[in-house]
Amino acid sequence: EDQVTQSPEALRLQEGESSSLNCSYTVSGLRGLFWYRQDPGKGPEFLFTLYSAGEEKEKERLKATLTKKESFLHITAPKPEDSATYLCAVQPFSGGYNKLIFGAGTRLAVHP
Amino acid sequence: SQTIHQWPATLVQPVGSPLSLECTVEGTSNPNLYWYRQAAGRGLQLLFYSVGIGQISSEVPQNLSASRPQDRQFILSSKKLLLSDSGFYLCAWSGTRGPQHFGDGTRLSIL
Repeated sequence: EDQVTQSPEALRLQEGESSSLNCSYTVSGLRGLFWYRQDPGKGPEFLFTLYSAGEEKEKERLKATLTKKESFLHITAPKPEDSATYLCAVQPFSGGYNKLIFGAGTRLAVHP
Repeated sequence: SQTIHQWPATLVQPVGSPLSLECTVEGTSNPNLYWYRQAAGRGLQLLFYSVGIGQISSEVPQNLSASRPQDRQFILSSKKLLLSDSGFYLCAWSGTRGPQHFGDGTRLSIL
């Protein structure tokens, strides 16, 4: 069964304290892996797509990496405005449409 | 550029009342459309998806239904709401490949 597990569930950082969020996945053929940011009371906002092991994408203080079994979202020198829930989703080759399977997310709180 | 609109933002309804949530997409044609429900601390649960007008697929059995009367309009409905229908409902669109893009959601509370 296709599955996505994110860890930790919650993470508290001091401003400037770098860390990484993990997304482990089991899927019968990976078409793509997606990272989203979700603010309270809002819909998820698309951040990155990764398609193959070894691929990396960067945006401001965020860098996403991908291996054959997991993805990491690295946050360098975070600021309070980076506080949000970060969601990971995988797109399997099977499914017949643009299906995404989401993890439960990591709640990130960055304190000044 | 493409935009997605979802309304209302919040809704409070009594048990047994009907429901209609609407979602529209601008700036693209023939999108895939999706309805999700998100429970606190849990991932997004796909409820319905549509690859074209009048084509609706349901992922989970439930008290809800969906319709796509126009290419860029997706509606989530219920004839009689249950307490268990409370939650955060999200509409999304995508192309045939690539990421899904979400609206800002509707917070539904059933009393």
